[in-house]
Amino acid sequence: DGGITQSPKYLFRKEGQNVTLSCEQNLNHDAMYWYRQDPGQGLRLIYYSQIVNDFQKGDIAEGYSVSREKKESFPLTVTSAQKNPTAFYLCASSAGFRQPQHFGDGTRLSIL
Amino acid sequence: AQSVTQPDIHITVSEGASLELRCNYSYGATPYLFWYVQSPGQGLQLLLKYFSGDTLVQGIKGFEAEFKRSQSSFNLRKPSVHWSDAAEYFCAVGLMDSNYQLIWGAGTKLIIKP
Repeated sequence: DGGITQSPKYLFRKEGQNVTLSCEQNLNHDAMYWYRQDPGQGLRLIYYSQIVNDFQKGDIAEGYSVSREKKESFPLTVTSAQKNPTAFYLCASSAGFRQPQHFGDGTRLSIL
Repeated sequence: AQSVTQPDIHITVSEGASLELRCNYSYGATPYLFWYVQSPGQGLQLLLKYFSGDTLVQGIKGFEAEFKRSQSSFNLRKPSVHWSDAAEYFCAVGLMDSNYQLIWGAGTKLIIKP
């Protein structure tokens, strides 16, 4: 079945450490997205990519970085510059403009 | 600036009762509209979408939504809720001149009373 796979499901970060969240899709979608979800705040866009080797900052990109070297993959790195990284992170993809976004099951990141 | 408002943070409904979740948007033109559902600790699942045409759209799990241009609303309805409908519901708006981005409401948590 086609879908989006996020890993790991749970992740713990130590102070000063960078961590990378994986997102893989086999839907052949061009566009991919990373969202951060905090209780009561809905989804906030971190980064998005419309095509391989191109990506744009969303509303809360500071302290995060991404790459899009392959169509199927859009990993997110939470850097040590992100001072409040504890959140639920969701990856999504869409076939294009005006198309629905399809979501993975998320990664919950916590601080040790 | 464009925005999406879901006025109800929580809604409690008895099992078997009808449901309406509200969504209002602020945008000058007609957007395209989505409702998603999220179970605890899970990703979001698309319930239904509106792009154009018939303003009453049918979705999965017995849900429907009505687009009302005059009220800038896209309310979600279900005639009879089941305990399995307990979840958080998100309204999202896409802009015709946007670059693939969606604007998200803050969500409404649905609680089902037995």
